[in-house]
Amino acid sequence: QKEVEQNSGPLSVPEGAIASLNCTYSDRVSQSFFWYRQYSGKSPELIMSIYSNGDKEDGRFTAQLNKASQYVSLLIRDSQPSDSATYLCAVITANTGNQFYFGTGTSLTVIP
Amino acid sequence: DAGVIQSPRHEVTEMGQEVTLRCKPISGHDYLFWYRQTMMRGLELLIYFNNNVPIDDSGMPEDRFSAKMPNASFSTLKIQPSEPRDSAVYFCASSFGGETQYFGPGTRLLVL
Repeated sequence: QKEVEQNSGPLSVPEGAIASLNCTYSDRVSQSFFWYRQYSGKSPELIMSIYSNGDKEDGRFTAQLNKASQYVSLLIRDSQPSDSATYLCAVITANTGNQFYFGTGTSLTVIP
Repeated sequence: DAGVIQSPRHEVTEMGQEVTLRCKPISGHDYLFWYRQTMMRGLELLIYFNNNVPIDDSGMPEDRFSAKMPNASFSTLKIQPSEPRDSAVYFCASSFGGETQYFGPGTRLLVL
């Protein structure tokens, strides 16, 4: 089992809709969670970080964390064509030192 | 700040040649990461340093790969000898305290 798993997609949503991206992780002691966006041919860039159970909102983006169920999600409201990218989930686990894991990413296409 | 700087941006070499990738992290960051990204395997963590000391190199594929960080502002990833299967985009990232990672633009390596 991979430490971080994401549905690779592709996920297609119409412009203006809500895009929902999901990520599950295997290690219960994971403590920090991140969503990165990567445009084709570019490097990943941070969108959101979340550390506590519940929701965290930043503009059109909402990250949701449920440690009991070991999942973290990203909602994008009012999706725009410029949101079309691959979204990477990342997790930091602290066992004997920090361990860093990225999911394989979900490809999102927003259709005008 | 200029962000994470990587060089070269593109490298084309022949099988068997030595390849050296370079990275300058963001000033003040104490963690430095080397990743490899391919379509098949996604983003893979190769090695990371904390305060210039290699902490986890379990992702380094084999002895042909080596990484150094002689000081806080410079790191290298060397492949010797290179093979076609090493063709990928190599990212360097840095962070403060091991949290949010900031990625460089990447080096696109093609081994013929």
